[in-house]
Amino acid sequence: TQLLEQSPQFLSIQEGENLTVYCNSSSVFSSLQWYRQEPGEGPVLLVTVVTGGEVKKLKRLTFQFGDARKDSSLHITAAQPGDTGLYLCAVNNAGGTSYGKLTFGQGTILTVHP
Amino acid sequence: DTGVSQNPRHKITKRGQNVTFRCDPISEHNRLYWYRQTLGQGPEFLTYFQNEAQLEKSRLLSDRFSAERPKGSFSTLEIQRTEQGDSAMYLCASSLEGRETYEQYFGPGTRLTVT
Repeated sequence: TQLLEQSPQFLSIQEGENLTVYCNSSSVFSSLQWYRQEPGEGPVLLVTVVTGGEVKKLKRLTFQFGDARKDSSLHITAAQPGDTGLYLCAVNNAGGTSYGKLTFGQGTILTVHP
Repeated sequence: DTGVSQNPRHKITKRGQNVTFRCDPISEHNRLYWYRQTLGQGPEFLTYFQNEAQLEKSRLLSDRFSAERPKGSFSTLEIQRTEQGDSAMYLCASSLEGRETYEQYFGPGTRLTVT
C-alpha cells in the first residue's frame, strides 16, 4: 500500500473550471509538499505546509494541510491550460530518516482543455 | 542559471550496455538525491549523499547500479548491463542541510530507454 494516496489519478477539465486534488494518509507528518511536473521535466516545488489546518495560497492555487496533519488538498480556481501537468504530494522523514528523503504519492495527471 | 542540471537529457541504449548519468546540484547544497520515475507514477527514492558520503541506498538499487559523488559536488549514476526494466526517468535533486522542511530542488531528469 502507498504511504500517500492521491485522488483522483486523472482529471480532464475545461478551461475556467475549478478542481480539487487530494492527498491522504493514515500517518502523521511534520510537513507536506506539493510539486508540479510537466512532461519531460523534473518536479517543481509549489509549496510546503507545516502546521495542521494551515492554508496557503499561490495565485489561483490554494493548499490546505489537514488539522491532524495526515492529509492535504490542492484547489485550483478557474483552471487554465498552463495548469496542465502531474501534481505530486510528498513527505519527508518517512521511516524516521533524518535527512529529508522524499516519499511521493502516485500523482494526479491534470489536463485542462482550452 | 544556478539550478540542478543533469546530462544527458535523453539516453537510448541496447540491453546489456552500461550507461552513466551526471548530476550537478545547486552549488551550495550539500545533500544530493537520486530518484527514479516510471510513466504516470511519482518518483521513487534510490540513494542519498551528504557531501561525498553515500548514506543510504534503496532496495530498488540493485547491484548493477552504482552512484558516486567523489568531491561532494557533482554525482554520477551508473547502470551496468542495462535491462528493459531500467527504462525510466532518472531524477537528481539537491537540498541544503539545516532546512527543517528539507525542500528539494530537482533537475530536469535523464530519460533512459533500453531497447
